[in-house]
Amino acid sequence: KAGVTQTPRYLIKTRGQQVTLSCSPISGHRSVSWYQQTPGQGLQFLFEYFSETQRNKGNFPGRFSGRQFSNSRSEMNVSTLELGDSALYLCASSPSGAQTYNEQFFGPGTRLTVL
Amino acid sequence: AQSVAQPEDQVNVAEGNPLTVKCTYSVSGNPYLFWYVQYPNRGLQFLLKYITGDNLVKGSYGFEAEFNKSQTSFHLKKPSALVSDSALYFCAVRDMNNRLAFGKGNQVVVIP
Repeated sequence: KAGVTQTPRYLIKTRGQQVTLSCSPISGHRSVSWYQQTPGQGLQFLFEYFSETQRNKGNFPGRFSGRQFSNSRSEMNVSTLELGDSALYLCASSPSGAQTYNEQFFGPGTRLTVL
Repeated sequence: AQSVAQPEDQVNVAEGNPLTVKCTYSVSGNPYLFWYVQYPNRGLQFLLKYITGDNLVKGSYGFEAEFNKSQTSFHLKKPSALVSDSALYFCAVRDMNNRLAFGKGNQVVVIP
């Protein structure tokens, strides 16, 4: 099976712009989660989608949003970018969100740099 | 809310020596615990998990972890470290509401 893919891998934006990141989960996986990774804050949970519904949300401002499509692919959007949004954004999928003991499979991430 | 503590920023170990990466957790209810590893410019890779049962869990690449409920710990161990084990290691806990919390990570440096 192909792994989790994320596009683009690298992105450079300027403050005030918006950005959309894409994630394709492993075939058959219905749960997709997004994380922000920075050197100072580590890995922080953004949100989780399961069957096109947001099921969990982390403590991020409303500028961060996401959605999931019927084929389980997911996008996250960040509006009005700030310098502090520079980070590695990781997407992870798992077979079923209902089973809390399932491990997650991570994509390689999108490195976002905000200038 | 659940949380994970990885008290050491970096762990240095000589090749061939035992490797231990420490993790303590806090969660309501039964803990579901995970270890992941991240190599440079890569996503996280799953190593092992504890759900229930035996306190000693065996995982990928020769790693194992010991669950200790009384000490709320889930330390990762490897009997003999390899240079290729040099990476960033994350402990994580998932609570019954399906939220996953990661520790800040431990940089492991295996010295040849």
